[in-house]
Amino acid sequence: KAGVTQTPRYLIKTRGQQVTLSCSPISGHRSVSWYQQTPGQGLQFLFEYFSETQRNKGNFPGRFSGRQFSNSRSEMNVSTLELGDSALYLCASSPREGGDTQYFGPGTRLTVL
Amino acid sequence: KQEVTQIPAALSVPEGENLVLNCSFTDSAIYNLQWFRQDPGKGLTSLLLIQSSQREQTSGRLNASLDKSSGRSTLYIAASQPGDSATYLCAVRGGNDYKLSFGAGTTVTVRA
Repeated sequence: KAGVTQTPRYLIKTRGQQVTLSCSPISGHRSVSWYQQTPGQGLQFLFEYFSETQRNKGNFPGRFSGRQFSNSRSEMNVSTLELGDSALYLCASSPREGGDTQYFGPGTRLTVL
Repeated sequence: KQEVTQIPAALSVPEGENLVLNCSFTDSAIYNLQWFRQDPGKGLTSLLLIQSSQREQTSGRLNASLDKSSGRSTLYIAASQPGDSATYLCAVRGGNDYKLSFGAGTTVTVRA
């Protein structure tokens, strides 16, 4: 089975722009979660989607949003980018909602200039 | 809010030595606890998942224990190899909100 894929792998944007990141889960997995990883804050939970519905949300401002499609693929969007949004954004999928083992993708490295 | 702490932050051992990595959490109302490995610039690889009702899990050279009442988990890696060099992360899933909270990780270097 193919693993979790994330596109693009690297992205450079300037302050004020917006960005959309994409995640394709493992085939058959219906839950997708997003995380932000920075050297200062470590790994922080952004949100979790299951069956096209956001089931859980971390403590991030409204500039961070996401959605899930009927084929379980997910996108996250960050509007009005700030320098502090520079991070590795990781997507993880699991077969069911909630407490299953999570399988992570390689991440998208976002740099905001 | 769940706080997850991993000590030490970094560890360097000679090849063949056993590794002991510690994870502590403040809220014992957890659903499960998961150990991950992360190589530089890469995503996370799941190593072991322990449900809140379990005391330990084993996979090959890896063994993880869980003491929910004291808020601790320990990952043991037997007979370490240079390929075990990586950052090891502990993640706790809350029993009420199901959110995953991560520790900052322990960076392990196994010297050949």
